[in-house]
Amino acid sequence: NAGVTQTPKFRVLKTGQSMTLLCAQDMNHEYMYWYRQDPGMGLRLIHYSVGEGTTAKGEVPDGYNVSRLKKQNFLLGLESAAPSQTSVYFCASSRGASRLGEPQHFGDGTRLSIL
Amino acid sequence: TQLLEQSPQFLSIQEGENLTVYCNSSSVFSSLQWYRQEPGEGPVLLVTVVTGGEVKKLKRLTFQFGDARKDSSLHITAAQPGDTGLYLCAGQNSGGYQKVTFGTGTKLQVIP
Repeated sequence: NAGVTQTPKFRVLKTGQSMTLLCAQDMNHEYMYWYRQDPGMGLRLIHYSVGEGTTAKGEVPDGYNVSRLKKQNFLLGLESAAPSQTSVYFCASSRGASRLGEPQHFGDGTRLSIL
Repeated sequence: TQLLEQSPQFLSIQEGENLTVYCNSSSVFSSLQWYRQEPGEGPVLLVTVVTGGEVKKLKRLTFQFGDARKDSSLHITAAQPGDTGLYLCAGQNSGGYQKVTFGTGTKLQVIP
């Protein structure tokens, strides 16, 4: 079972460049999330979606945009990359609301470096 | 802002030793989860605890949710090299905001 698939796995960008990270899930989950993971700070929520066509801001949304045109895909965009966005990005999905205890299923992450 | 502090931050022990990881907050959570993350992979759910005082066992791992639902602990008995990884607690709040608060993480290394 594929579960949650993230592409690409690694990327190096120059400051000011743009890029899109793709997340795909094959579990028919309603909820999808984008996190960033930085040393000593755990996982911080960037944006999330509670269903196809919906998106909402998380804890650290500035500098990022998202889209959920299809239920199985959740895209994270960086319009003008900054060195502060160097991080490991994780996508996750859940069947129901994670705030109600539904387990989240994570992809293997995208390691992004901004020079 | 809800914060979940984990301690210790790093732990290096010999195979066969016991250990406890703590997850503490000043906020009350409706439920709490523990995840384990291995290098190059995403976190994987180990357990969910939902009742204050609840204790759950998963083979050599014992999870406890505090009576006041503000803290949790993970105890590993006779640690094995396969237990090596980053352990994350995550608190859920059934309030309106769609947010799970993740802890700062405990990196465990079990030396053979």
